[in-house]
Amino acid sequence: DAGVTQSPTHLIKTRGQQVTLRCSPKSGHDTVSWYQQALGQGPQFIFQYYEEEERQRGNFPDRFSGHQFPNYSSELNVNALLLGDSALYLCASSPKRLAETQYFGPGTRLLVL
Amino acid sequence: GIQVEQSPPDLILQEGANSTLRCNFSDSVNNLQWFHQNPWGQLINLFYIPSGTKQNGRLSATTVATERYSLLYISSSQTTDSGVYFCAVRSNDYKLSFGAGTTVTVRA
Repeated sequence: DAGVTQSPTHLIKTRGQQVTLRCSPKSGHDTVSWYQQALGQGPQFIFQYYEEEERQRGNFPDRFSGHQFPNYSSELNVNALLLGDSALYLCASSPKRLAETQYFGPGTRLLVL
Repeated sequence: GIQVEQSPPDLILQEGANSTLRCNFSDSVNNLQWFHQNPWGQLINLFYIPSGTKQNGRLSATTVATERYSLLYISSSQTTDSGVYFCAVRSNDYKLSFGAGTTVTVRA
């Protein structure tokens, strides 16, 4: 049973560009959450997707958007990249919105130059 | 939002030593999890423990919800225990709020 997968593993972009990160949840999971982890800090909640809709959002600007597909996979899009967007982006899945545990993928490391 | 504070920020241990990591939170929670982040960034679930005590091998955790803190115990530490340990909580919504983590270094 595959766990949560994310692609790509690493990415280098320049300021002003746009980026799309992808996440496939663990089998049987229908809820996907995205987190941003800056160097030396704990993960910060970006948003959660359930039934193909954004259900809750953290303190992130509208440059951060997402999508969930009918097969429960998800994308995170970031527009007009800033240097401060450089971070590890983590995807987590759970079998329901208020599940006891979330299972995290290996992350995508984004470097903005 | 709910605040999560972890202590100490850094911990250096000799192999075989025991240690205690602490997590304080600012409001009542219905979900508390401990994670270990390995050097490659993977977050690994250790415990789901909104209250009470649990043990898994050399690791154990205790949460005293009424006093808003949780403790993670590492016994007979091994070099593979090195990494960052995070406490994360959830209250009345769907997001997990993480602490800043405790970086543990176990020396052989």
